[in-house]
Amino acid sequence: QKEVEQNSGPLSVPEGAIASLNCTYSDRVSQSFFWYRQYSGKSPELIMSIYSNGDKEDGRFTAQLNKASQYVSLLIRDSQPSDSATYLCAVRLTGGGNKLTFGTGTQLKVEL
Amino acid sequence: DTAVSQTPKYLVTQMGNDKSIKCEQNLGHDTMYWYKQDSKKFLKIMFSYNNKELIINETVPNRFSPKSPDKAHLNLHINSLELGDSAVYFCASSQEQGHQPQHFGDGTRLSIL
Repeated sequence: QKEVEQNSGPLSVPEGAIASLNCTYSDRVSQSFFWYRQYSGKSPELIMSIYSNGDKEDGRFTAQLNKASQYVSLLIRDSQPSDSATYLCAVRLTGGGNKLTFGTGTQLKVEL
Repeated sequence: DTAVSQTPKYLVTQMGNDKSIKCEQNLGHDTMYWYKQDSKKFLKIMFSYNNKELIINETVPNRFSPKSPDKAHLNLHINSLELGDSAVYFCASSQEQGHQPQHFGDGTRLSIL
């Protein structure tokens, strides 16, 4: 089983819709969770971080964490064509030397 | 600008050569990393240094040797380059304590001919 799993996509949503990106992780001691956005040919850019169970909102983005189910998700409201990118889920273990383990990413396409 | 900067942006070289990639951060972070992103876009940690000390060393060939002259710099030297080394190499930095995210440089695209 992979440590961090994401559906590779592509996930296609119409402009203005809600995009829902999901991530599961295998290690129960994982403590910090991050969503990065990566445009083609560019570097990963931090979108959201979440550490506690529940929802965290920042503008059009909402991260959701459920540690019991080992599941973290990212919702993008009012999706825009500029949101089209690959979204990487990253998980940090406690005491792991701040090592981040990344999923393979989900490609999101927002269509006009 | 506060950032993680790495050079060169592109590196094209012959198999068997030795090359270096440099990374500098002015964010005041105490930890720096090297990641490799392969053709399938999978991003994997290679090394991590905290205050010039190696703290993460994943299963990486000995041909790869990181060097950290100070906590703001982490360079990557690669000996005897092989075709399979072709990838994008990202430098990143963060603070070790707390739930601190990592900030990435723009990447170095290494192509082996």
